[in-house]
Amino acid sequence: AQTVTQSQPEMSVQEAETVTLSCTYDTSESNYYLFWYKQPPSRQMILVIRQEAYKQQNATENRFSVNFQKAAKSFSLKISDSQLGDTAMYFCAFMRPIGNTGKLIFGQGTTLQVKP
Amino acid sequence: EAGVTQSPTHLIKTRGQQVTLRCSPISGHTSVYWYQQALGLGLQFLLWYDEGEERNRGNFPPRFSGRQFPNYSSELNVNALELEDSALYLCASSLWLRNYEQYFGPGTRLTVT
Repeated sequence: AQTVTQSQPEMSVQEAETVTLSCTYDTSESNYYLFWYKQPPSRQMILVIRQEAYKQQNATENRFSVNFQKAAKSFSLKISDSQLGDTAMYFCAFMRPIGNTGKLIFGQGTTLQVKP
Repeated sequence: EAGVTQSPTHLIKTRGQQVTLRCSPISGHTSVYWYQQALGLGLQFLLWYDEGEERNRGNFPPRFSGRQFPNYSSELNVNALELEDSALYLCASSLWLRNYEQYFGPGTRLTVT
């Protein structure tokens, strides 16, 4: 069974600085999707970034980028120029397309606080 | 474009009661997913509906059930509520065959006393 682990329950960063959130996963699949979701205190889950395992290039979305290390089964999220609005819980998630289960498997989450 | 909507925002029920939660997907989306976010248990996949059919089910007892209507909206029903059913219930939607792009609603907070 696939598992996703986020080893940092809480993190904090000063506004305008850079922070990296860690995620590791376990799977025997060669093709899959990885995601980072953001859940602000308002609780609406927002997709931040998606990575397809067959793509070598790391995904980026504005200030958000990932470091995808397939062999190490690691998928970290880097937030550059942190803003107060980045304060949220961040979830790493995995999906296997084979079998089309529709199921996202989430890590336990990392609470990020951006301090002014 | 309107996002995924859920109702009610929150509700309180007593153990043993039944509850129905509702979800309207983004226009054009045919797939609806339900997740439970319970304290200490993280986010867990509950159900996936598409074209009115249940496509997949998570590891939850049969008292968790649902359905999808012809307009693609969905209901999640929980019978015989237990204290541990207290959680945030999130609904997500996607286009058919694009379930790697799930868009979430704001959730329904259920408290069972």
